[in-house]
Amino acid sequence: QQQVKQSPQSLIVQKGGISIINCAYENTAFDYFPWYQQFPGKGPALLIAIRPDVSEKKEGRFTISFNKSAKQFSLHIMDSQPGDSATYFCAASKPSGNTGKLIFGQGTTLQVKP
Amino acid sequence: DTAVSQTPKYLVTQMGNDKSIKCEQNLGHDTMYWYKQDSKKFLKIMFSYNNKELIINETVPNRFSPKSPDKAHLNLHINSLELGDSAVYFCASSLQRGAGFGETQYFGPGTRLLVL
Repeated sequence: QQQVKQSPQSLIVQKGGISIINCAYENTAFDYFPWYQQFPGKGPALLIAIRPDVSEKKEGRFTISFNKSAKQFSLHIMDSQPGDSATYFCAASKPSGNTGKLIFGQGTTLQVKP
Repeated sequence: DTAVSQTPKYLVTQMGNDKSIKCEQNLGHDTMYWYKQDSKKFLKIMFSYNNKELIINETVPNRFSPKSPDKAHLNLHINSLELGDSAVYFCASSLQRGAGFGETQYFGPGTRLLVL
């Protein structure tokens, strides 16, 4: 059972364009939604994260939009650059048991063409 | 000054062998994790330890056994390796347990395991 569904699986964007990756979750107990970025041959690294009490969070060219009623959140990368080419994972966790368990989406491979 | 390190980086072995992967973090974190990333890049939590106490134990074959000698180290021992164990295994750490409170998890570089 996939609790966090991510789409698209792959994405090709021209340099300077906007990349949009979407995620949907099922469990309303989730209260922390991070995005991780993974370059080939490297481990994932936290990019940006949001809590459900806000609808948007922006850090530089990266923005998370959050729709609590629809149980969806998305990552927008403005002015996409070739250096942004990587795999992006959304994730979710809930405080129950306080274990730190992150449930990841399936990942989106982004290619930004120069 | 590597934050989370893993050894070995690559591991090629035969079916049926036993192997170990080591992880160390120098961030002073209390919690450490093991994740498995399959060929489709799907990331799944396997285990987590908080200050040497096992707090997450997902549905993983009991051929996999984590060991935490101290809070800076979390090793993964795999018995009787199978073809399906081929994957990239990532170690991670966070300051405290509870990503529900916004704790960033810091991942190591991964160990690429290939079982022949």
